[in-house]
Amino acid sequence: EAGVAQSPRYKIIEKRQSVAFWCNPISGHATLYWYQQILGQGPKLLIQFQNNGVVDDSQLPKDRFSAERLKGVDSTLKIQPAKLEDSAVYLCASSRGAGRLYEQYFGPGTRLTVT
Amino acid sequence: AQSVTQLGSHVSVSEGALVLLRCNYSSSVPPYLFWYVQYPNQGLQLLLKYTTGATLVKGINGFEAEFKKSETSFHLTKPSAHMSDAAEYFCAVTPTGAGANSKLTFGKGITLSVRP
Repeated sequence: EAGVAQSPRYKIIEKRQSVAFWCNPISGHATLYWYQQILGQGPKLLIQFQNNGVVDDSQLPKDRFSAERLKGVDSTLKIQPAKLEDSAVYLCASSRGAGRLYEQYFGPGTRLTVT
Repeated sequence: AQSVTQLGSHVSVSEGALVLLRCNYSSSVPPYLFWYVQYPNQGLQLLLKYTTGATLVKGINGFEAEFKKSETSFHLTKPSAHMSDAAEYFCAVTPTGAGANSKLTFGKGITLSVRP
């Protein structure tokens, strides 16, 4: 079974530029998560999708971050415009369902550096 | 709100020595508890989890953790460290209240180094 795929793996941009990350979850997984992991900290949930609907986006900075999951499969996370403090690893995870007992499987992440 | 505390940011042990990584949680109701491992340039991998039942949980790669409600702790242990255990370890919780979703709250992580 293929794992969660993310691209690109690395991205360097200047502040005020835009950037987009892509995630392809494990086939059949209805729930998809985006996490932000700042250096020296644990991952923080940005947004959770159930199929193509948003379950939780309470920690998503909506003035600059947006995410979508068209057709309930792949997802993109966009930052526009980027700030220095957005430098982090962005992790995508997926699970079969939204229940607490469903294991979340993580992708390798996209490391974003904003200069 | 739930939170997780992982004391210290770095633990160093000798190969073959006991590994002990500490995790304490703060929650009005005992949550579900998880330990994840992250190797360099990789995503997180689930080591083990506690939901209900037996408080001593065994996971992959010889790791285990014990849920102690009285101490609000879920410390991770391994009797004998191996060089391949060098990685970053995260403790996480998810709420158990009625209607709660699967949102994970992570600690800040502990880097484990293993000396030859």
